[in-house]
Amino acid sequence: GAGVSQTPSNKVTEKGKYVELRCDPISGHTALYWYRQSLGQGPEFLIYFQGTGAADDSGLPNDRFFAVRPEGSVSTLKIQRTERGDSAMYLCASSPGTGGATYQETQYFGPGTRLLVL
Amino acid sequence: LAKTTQPISMDSYEGQEVNITCSHNNIATNDYITWYQQFPSQGPRFIIQGYKTKVTNEVASLFIPADRKSSTLSLPRVSLSDTAVYYCLVGDNDYKLSFGAGTTVTVRA
Repeated sequence: GAGVSQTPSNKVTEKGKYVELRCDPISGHTALYWYRQSLGQGPEFLIYFQGTGAADDSGLPNDRFFAVRPEGSVSTLKIQRTERGDSAMYLCASSPGTGGATYQETQYFGPGTRLLVL
Repeated sequence: LAKTTQPISMDSYEGQEVNITCSHNNIATNDYITWYQQFPSQGPRFIIQGYKTKVTNEVASLFIPADRKSSTLSLPRVSLSDTAVYYCLVGDNDYKLSFGAGTTVTVRA
């Protein structure tokens, strides 16, 4: 079946502008995650959704970052007043979200959106 | 979350076996060990997960000693397409994956 998709694949914007990054998770996956990856570093957790609600948004760097998942499938990461330091690869992942598992549930990642803030 | 330590980089040649050892001295009783692979300009991809002893799938093997303070990912007969960053993660039912910098494996012809 289809994997996680993200649009756009690349986004160039100017400092101070607003951007939206979209994630389409694997159908039926209730858990959705956003990560941010800077060059040469591993992905860093931003936010986790279980269904429509943000179960943990502790990784969002500041209040310019916001994410929604209104119908429990597609999610949008929104960045206001972008800064040059926001330039990075933004990765979305989803997982079945089976509660109570003792193992570490596999997360399926999309190809990412590369954001460049000029 | 248990901290992991792995080499920054490793070089190999086509056809060789690559072994990447990850140290996780503070692993907890319920923690699993999971490895992800990431190619340039792509998202990470799950490779293998284990709890103890040895796990093998079509891609790799994972060796975990009895004390579970380390683990070794083994990639048999690598090819150029195995050039990637490999991440070792430790946790139990953690939704926040903590990747670290990973090990960059470069396979040469």
